[in-house]
Amino acid sequence: GENVEQHPSTLSVQEGDSAVIKCTYSDSASNYFPWYKQELGKGPQLIIDIRSNVGEKKDQRIAVTLNKTAKHFSLHITETQPEDSAVYFCAANPVRDSGYALNFGKGTSLLVTP
Amino acid sequence: NAGVTQTPKFRVLKTGQSMTLLCAQDMNHEYMYWYRQDPGMGLRLIHYSVGEGTTAKGEVPDGYNVSRLKKQNFLLGLESAAPSQTSVYFCASSKTGTSRVREQYFGPGTRLTVT
Repeated sequence: GENVEQHPSTLSVQEGDSAVIKCTYSDSASNYFPWYKQELGKGPQLIIDIRSNVGEKKDQRIAVTLNKTAKHFSLHITETQPEDSAVYFCAANPVRDSGYALNFGKGTSLLVTP
Repeated sequence: NAGVTQTPKFRVLKTGQSMTLLCAQDMNHEYMYWYRQDPGMGLRLIHYSVGEGTTAKGEVPDGYNVSRLKKQNFLLGLESAAPSQTSVYFCASSKTGTSRVREQYFGPGTRLTVT
């Protein structure tokens, strides 16, 4: 089945710097790769996603890149702000019939210090 | 439009007790899911439903049962709670489409402690 690995598990950056989180997946048939942000005590919130027919997608300060050949995708946050501090999860959709449920990475705890 | 809501927000159970977690969505989504989140483990799929009256097992279904009697509601039941079921439970929903792409929307979670 699909296996999603996420690195690093923790990341600390200074305000204004960039942050990069990387994920790899195992199922070459996966075609959808969302990123979720989870703030303390809340549910995961979709912040950006990318489909397999696109190599890069950008939305203001966040961007996601996908390398299908290498089976990895990355989240890039530029000009980080303290409110970016949260846990970020990557995910991929497995090929097996599971109602299109997602397989998640184990999360990256991002801390942006002023 | 409340999105996905979950009740209760917190619950403490003793080993062997039973309870039901309720998930409701007002987005007319066909698909609904129950995940559990444990420290360092990410989110793991417990059960899911592709429509009213249908349910299926996910990655970690043991000890749980579900029902989808109404399209907008998805219930997760614990018949005999165990300490290993201490976790945060999230419900999610997604709409139908012609591709395998499904954007999922999550509820705020239920924190369950089993002593």
